[in-house]
Amino acid sequence: NAGVTQTPKFRILKIGQSMTLQCTQDMNHNYMYWYRQDPGMGLKLIYYSVGAGITDKGEVPNGYNVSRSTTEDFPLRLELAAPSQTSVYFCASSRTGEGDYGYTFGSGTRLTVV
Amino acid sequence: GENVEQHPSTLSVQEGDSAVIKCTYSDSASNYFPWYKQELGKRPQLIIDIRSNVGEKKDQRIAVTLNKTAKHFSLHITETQPEDSAVYFCAASFSGSARQLTFGSGTQLTVLP
Repeated sequence: NAGVTQTPKFRILKIGQSMTLQCTQDMNHNYMYWYRQDPGMGLKLIYYSVGAGITDKGEVPNGYNVSRSTTEDFPLRLELAAPSQTSVYFCASSRTGEGDYGYTFGSGTRLTVV
Repeated sequence: GENVEQHPSTLSVQEGDSAVIKCTYSDSASNYFPWYKQELGKRPQLIIDIRSNVGEKKDQRIAVTLNKTAKHFSLHITETQPEDSAVYFCAASFSGSARQLTFGSGTQLTVLP
């Protein structure tokens, strides 16, 4: 049981490049989330999903896209990378049942756009 | 949407003293309030949480209190130890939604030996 796995752990992108941050979970959680954490700040919600085929925007979705074709995978796509997207990205998942609301976070992807 | 404010942004205490971190939230529909601890370079880890039908919850040296009327909740750490040094985040969500958490801006706690 690996929990939530994110790849890559580190990445440097040039302005205008694109990339996909991978996130997969093996806990059969329906809810999944992408957050970004800027230095010295809290986490801001980018996108979330309540199940396969269903995604919705969070607080800061501009410049990002997601898809959820399976329960396990929730990749985050960055198109035309900008320096403002330099951040640490965390994927998380959560159960849907009563009594357990806690998030399980991945280990994060540290992205630098130069 | 929900807005969560957290104070203080930094907190230094002597080992063995208590630490208190406070958060306020804006959406009266929020009913789940977790606290996360994040060590440098690591992922956030859930340390304690509380639902809106409970006023206080304790787990060894950690406790959380909730005042629904005033819309604020607090984390209390007693008998602090150097390994308690980390950034602590509060958060709030409404369980009827997709349980999206709105996070506070964090408190850097330093426990001085």
